[in-house]
Amino acid sequence: KAGVTQTPRYLIKTRGQQVTLSCSPISGHRSVSWYQQTPGQGLQFLFEYFSETQRNKGNFPGRFSGRQFSNSRSEMNVSTLELGDSALYLCASSTTLGGLGSGANVLTFGAGSRLTVL
Amino acid sequence: GIQVEQSPPDLILQEGANSTLRCNFSDSVNNLQWFHQNPWGQLINLFYIPSGTKQNGRLSATTVATERYSLLYISSSQTTDSGVYFCAVLWGGGNKLTFGTGTQLKVEL
Repeated sequence: KAGVTQTPRYLIKTRGQQVTLSCSPISGHRSVSWYQQTPGQGLQFLFEYFSETQRNKGNFPGRFSGRQFSNSRSEMNVSTLELGDSALYLCASSTTLGGLGSGANVLTFGAGSRLTVL
Repeated sequence: GIQVEQSPPDLILQEGANSTLRCNFSDSVNNLQWFHQNPWGQLINLFYIPSGTKQNGRLSATTVATERYSLLYISSSQTTDSGVYFCAVLWGGGNKLTFGTGTQLKVEL
C-alpha cells in the first residue's frame, strides 16, 4: 500500500510569507503528526491530529497551525515566515493514538517537505 | 520532559566492520523505535522495540527497558548503511515521539 505522501517536497519562500504543507497518511491510518527538523534543534514534535482533532501540541509559537480533514489528510500552515523556520518538515502517520506497546502505534514517516526561507 | 541521548555522535567505519549504537532515556517509555535517515531526509523505520531483542538481516536491536537503554547493532556494514540513526521514544501520551540527537554513520570502502 502507498506510504505517507508529503507535498510539496521542496519550496522556497521569503520572510513574512506564509506556507501550507500537505500530508496524506497511509490508508487506514487516523493519526497524523508533524515534526520539524533543523540542524540546531534536531527533530522536534509540532502537533498531532486524530479524527480531525488536535490531540497534542509541541512547544512552537502560534504561527504554526494545522488541521486534519475527514479523510485523515492533514495540512500544516506557518504564517509570517522567519528565517529560522527553514527546516525539513516531516509528517508521520499511525493507526492509533499511542498507548502501550502493541505495535499499532508505530509511526511511519513521509519523505518530508524541505522549506527554505530567504 | 524525557531526555534521550545517543552515542557516539559520529562514527566512521570501514566496510565490513561491526558497530554498536546506544540510546539512553531518562524515564519509562511505552514505545521505542529506531530509524535510519537517508541522505534525502526520509526516516525509515528499522525497529519497533519497547523491550527485548529483534533481528532483521544484518541489523539487530535490544532494549532493556528496566535499565532505560537500547542498542542497535550493525554487522558487516556496507556503504549503504551510511546516514543518521535515530532512536525515538513515545512518552507523555499520544504519538509524541521524542528523538535522540542521532548518530551520524559513515561507512567507507
